[in-house]
Amino acid sequence: EDQVTQSPEALRLQEGESSSLNCSYTVSGLRGLFWYRQDPGKGPEFLFTLYSAGEEKEKERLKATLTKKESFLHITAPKPEDSATYLCAVQGETSGSRLTFGEGTQLTVNP
Amino acid sequence: NAGVTQTPKFQVLKTGQSMTLQCAQDMNHEYMSWYRQDPGMGLRLIHYSVGAGITDQGEVPNGYNVSRSTTEDFPLRLLSAAPSQTSVYFCASRKLAGGPSEQYFGPGTRLTVT
Repeated sequence: EDQVTQSPEALRLQEGESSSLNCSYTVSGLRGLFWYRQDPGKGPEFLFTLYSAGEEKEKERLKATLTKKESFLHITAPKPEDSATYLCAVQGETSGSRLTFGEGTQLTVNP
Repeated sequence: NAGVTQTPKFQVLKTGQSMTLQCAQDMNHEYMSWYRQDPGMGLRLIHYSVGAGITDQGEVPNGYNVSRSTTEDFPLRLLSAAPSQTSVYFCASRKLAGGPSEQYFGPGTRLTVT
């Protein structure tokens, strides 16, 4: 059974204070790892897909990296508008098309 | 493209009532799914479908029913609502061809069962 654990549960940063969010996963053959952003009262919004260890993807102040056991979402010089819940999900070889989600990290960036 | 749409946005039901949450997508995606999101429990898969006429159970299917008669629509039926079904429900879709692809979510339906 695929499992995803995200840490920390909540993170408070000052504007400009860089940090990282962690997504640890257990899967039988990773087909894809996905990062989403969710704003209050809205559906998750897709950010990145990573397919294999060593892969990195960037978008504005966000950079996602992947190892064989975990993924990091690095946030460089965050702004208050980066405040949201960030979700990680995996698709494994034995799970068909289904995704397994972690519980998310709630990020708050104070001005 | 409208993407994934859901109706209604809010709903209050009494225990024992039934209702259908609507979901539609206009991206010609083969895969559609329903999740519920509860505080501290993340997104949990209720039912999913890999194409018209094909559905399967997810992690928490009890009390819910689905059907997929067209590629575009994937309604979720609550057969006899219970307070434990109070939650936020999200519909999502993704394409299957070409390997793992991103999943697009609808805006959600906030359901309260009293």
